[in-house]
Amino acid sequence: SAVISQKPSRDICQRGTSLTIQCQVDSQVTMMFWYRQQPGQSLTLIATANQGSEATYESGFVIDKFPISRPNLTFSTLTVSNMSPEDSSIYLCSVVVQETQYFGPGTRLLVL
Amino acid sequence: GQQVMQIPQYQHVQEGEDFTTYCNSSTTLSNIQWYKQRPGGHPVFLIQLVKSGEVKKQKRLTFQFGEAKKNSSLHITATQTTDVGTYFCAVGFSGGYNKLIFGAGTRLAVHP
Repeated sequence: SAVISQKPSRDICQRGTSLTIQCQVDSQVTMMFWYRQQPGQSLTLIATANQGSEATYESGFVIDKFPISRPNLTFSTLTVSNMSPEDSSIYLCSVVVQETQYFGPGTRLLVL
Repeated sequence: GQQVMQIPQYQHVQEGEDFTTYCNSSTTLSNIQWYKQRPGGHPVFLIQLVKSGEVKKQKRLTFQFGEAKKNSSLHITATQTTDVGTYFCAVGFSGGYNKLIFGAGTRLAVHP
């Protein structure tokens, strides 16, 4: 299994600002994933964070808006840049261990 | 791209009644996973189905994978208030276990 922690757990931010979300895993994993869950909606994959290389972004998501770092095999950050109210969501990181995907507790972001 | 349709969107039941949610794909799936998300929580892995016609049980939960591997269902017998939450099916991009495409989810409400 995998135990994942995220910081912050929630935040309220002003539009135009940026927020960096941290994700820490208790074991070394090759890939980490960042998902977004808009209010009342399902989960959408933002990007795959690869250690030692640039993140791979899904359609509709770009590096300028969601820069990602992956400095080692247990840690990743996602930044939500130049925020607008449409960015209000839950942001979740996840990892796969033995073909099972584990999710962090999420970061609940409200942009005013 | 690969998509998975999940129905119903909402289900309200009286405690003790049964509940079923369905996922359907237009393409053959290599595997399908099921997750539960409690209100205010994060998705928690329930099970993975891989084989055609596979049926797996977890106490009151029964998971099925269709013979053609294009549909799946989750059935809960005699619901309890602890079953409240949103149930998601998910399939991997290109049949893998990593990057997941989630169904829209079925939100279950159980009235005591």
